[in-house]
Amino acid sequence: DIQMTQSPSSLSASVGDRVTITCRASQSITNYLNWYQQKPGKAPKLLIYAAFSLETAVPSRFSGSGSGTDFTLTISSLQPEDFATYYCQQSYSSPLLTFGGGTKVEIK
Amino acid sequence: QLQLQESGPGPVKPSETLSLTCTVSGGSIISSTYYWGWIRQPPGKGLEWVGSIFYSGSTYSNPSLKSRVTISVDTSKNQFSLKLSSVTAADTAVYYCARAGYYGSGSYFDYWGQGTLVTVSS
Repeated sequence: DIQMTQSPSSLSASVGDRVTITCRASQSITNYLNWYQQKPGKAPKLLIYAAFSLETAVPSRFSGSGSGTDFTLTISSLQPEDFATYYCQQSYSSPLLTFGGGTKVEIK
Repeated sequence: QLQLQESGPGPVKPSETLSLTCTVSGGSIISSTYYWGWIRQPPGKGLEWVGSIFYSGSTYSNPSLKSRVTISVDTSKNQFSLKLSSVTAADTAVYYCARAGYYGSGSYFDYWGQGTLVTVSS
């Protein structure tokens, strides 16, 4: 099984800050890495697929990078609506899928 | 606009079988471009992929749950279903159904249902 590890598990940041979340795979997954945003009481929302491709209508302040085992989600200037929990998900072994443990972005 | 809606009978007792149905509207479940999945989230915890099904009926399940999971599709009703047997309190979670799209040989969940909380309790 491919394990996905996110860090940090939580972070505090201010509006306007640049935020970086890391996801590490237990083996190479090339670029088969997706990122989701989840707000309390809501279903997750796809932000980025294939490591760096922005889903339609997702603001350009979100970006993804990485390949192999190490990946990054960056929010260039944190907005009030970005406070949420973020999950990475590998699909290298699709349709057997794995999510990371999540990173909660809180207001400082 | 594609919509997915989970439905189920409510609380489940330990050792019984959890049953959920996902009704897809605004699009056909019959597609070679997409497949369908179940994801769950225990209260206060992260997301866990449960299993997936193609309209042809091929299924894949999380190895940690595999022997307890049955996923089926009813193309005539545009629905797919999940059964999880021998449940325990650890199966208490919000269960989401979702559509999976492809890129290359990878996939992502682009449409999700609102989720339904299933509580396992005697």
